[in-house]
Amino acid sequence: DGGITQSPKYLFRKEGQNVTLSCEQNLNHDAMYWYRQDPGQGLRLIYYSQIVNDFQKGDIAEGYSVSREKKESFPLTVTSAQKNPTAFYLCASSIDLGGAGQPQHFGDGTRLSIL
Amino acid sequence: AQTVTQSQPEMSVQEAETVTLSCTYDTSENNYYLFWYKQPPSRQMILVIRQEAYKQQNATENRFSVNFQKAAKSFSLKISDSQLGDTAMYFCAFMKDNAGNMLTFGGGTRLMVKP
Repeated sequence: DGGITQSPKYLFRKEGQNVTLSCEQNLNHDAMYWYRQDPGQGLRLIYYSQIVNDFQKGDIAEGYSVSREKKESFPLTVTSAQKNPTAFYLCASSIDLGGAGQPQHFGDGTRLSIL
Repeated sequence: AQTVTQSQPEMSVQEAETVTLSCTYDTSENNYYLFWYKQPPSRQMILVIRQEAYKQQNATENRFSVNFQKAAKSFSLKISDSQLGDTAMYFCAFMKDNAGNMLTFGGGTRLMVKP
């Protein structure tokens, strides 16, 4: 079945450590996105990518980095510079049809906690 | 910049009853798209309904329908014949036209369906 796979489901980070969250999609979607969700709040955009080897910062990019070497994959690294990384992270993708308002489809998320 | 406001942090409804969730947004755009997403306790984000701003007709999907008032910048979601499985966080989201399918989310409304 086509979909978006995020791994791991739960992740723990030690102080000063970088961790990488995986996001893979087999929907042949062009665009991919990373969001952060804090308890009881909405989603905030971290980074997005509309094409391979290109990505842009979202509203809260500080302390995070991404890469887009393959169309199917958009990993997110939470660096030690992100002082409050505990949150739920959601990856999404959408097909890019030139402004046709295509919805984003989401993975199941990764919950990141500090040890 | 666009903003999306959901003024009801929490709501409850009896099973089989009808409930309406409110959403307002602020934009200077004339053409755009609006979405409702559902996030059940599993935390997966599920698309509920999509509305195109240039269409006067309100979108419907089975028991879910919207009341789109473009002049008032209002986009409410009506759930008819509420079911226990409708218990979830509901997020309203705004998408500009020709903007890479980027979404701006509201803060969410937590809906509890009571037996």
